Amino acid sequence: GENVEQHPSTLSVQEGDSAVIKCTYSDSASNYFPWYKQELGKRPQLIIDIRSNVGEKKDQRIAVTLNKTAKHFSLHITETQPEDSAVYFCAASPGYQKVTFGIGTKLQVIP
Amino acid sequence: DGGITQSPKYLFRKEGQNVTLSCEQNLNHDAMYWYRQDPGQGLRLIYYSQIVNDFQKGDIAEGYSVSREKKESFPLTVTSAQKNPTAFYLCASSTPGPNYEQYFGPGTRLTVT
Repeated sequence: GENVEQHPSTLSVQEGDSAVIKCTYSDSASNYFPWYKQELGKRPQLIIDIRSNVGEKKDQRIAVTLNKTAKHFSLHITETQPEDSAVYFCAASPGYQKVTFGIGTKLQVIP
Repeated sequence: DGGITQSPKYLFRKEGQNVTLSCEQNLNHDAMYWYRQDPGQGLRLIYYSQIVNDFQKGDIAEGYSVSREKKESFPLTVTSAQKNPTAFYLCASSTPGPNYEQYFGPGTRLTVT
């Protein structure tokens, strides 16, 4: 089955700096890579996703890159703000509606 | 916060008792999922169902059981065979393909003593 590794497990950045979270996956059949944000005490919510036929996708201050050959993908948050503080999960899916999540990265943005 | 609901928010049980967690959605989604969330271990898939009357084991199904008799409902039973049942349980449903965006419920925190 699919195995998704995510690092770092914790990340602290100063407000305004960039944050990068990296994930690798094992199943070459995976073709969909979503990222979820979970604020303290709340449910995870999708923030951005990318399909395997695309190398990069941006949405305002967040972007995701995918290297299908190396089987890794990354989340980039620029100009971080305190409200970006949360746990971020990467995930991979081969379709068939099954999604495998990474262990999560706790991001702390220091004002 | 509507769309997918879980009840109760907190649940306490004695060891050896079975307990059923409720999950209901009104999003008309075919697929539903149960995840377990433990500190440092992310979201681990317990069971998922792609359609009514059908479900598949996830990565950590031992000690759990599910049913899917209605499209809107996907209850999870934590049996006494589950060795470490204390955890945060999240239910989700997903949109049809190809992206399968998952919508999560608010979760149920189960404590077994």
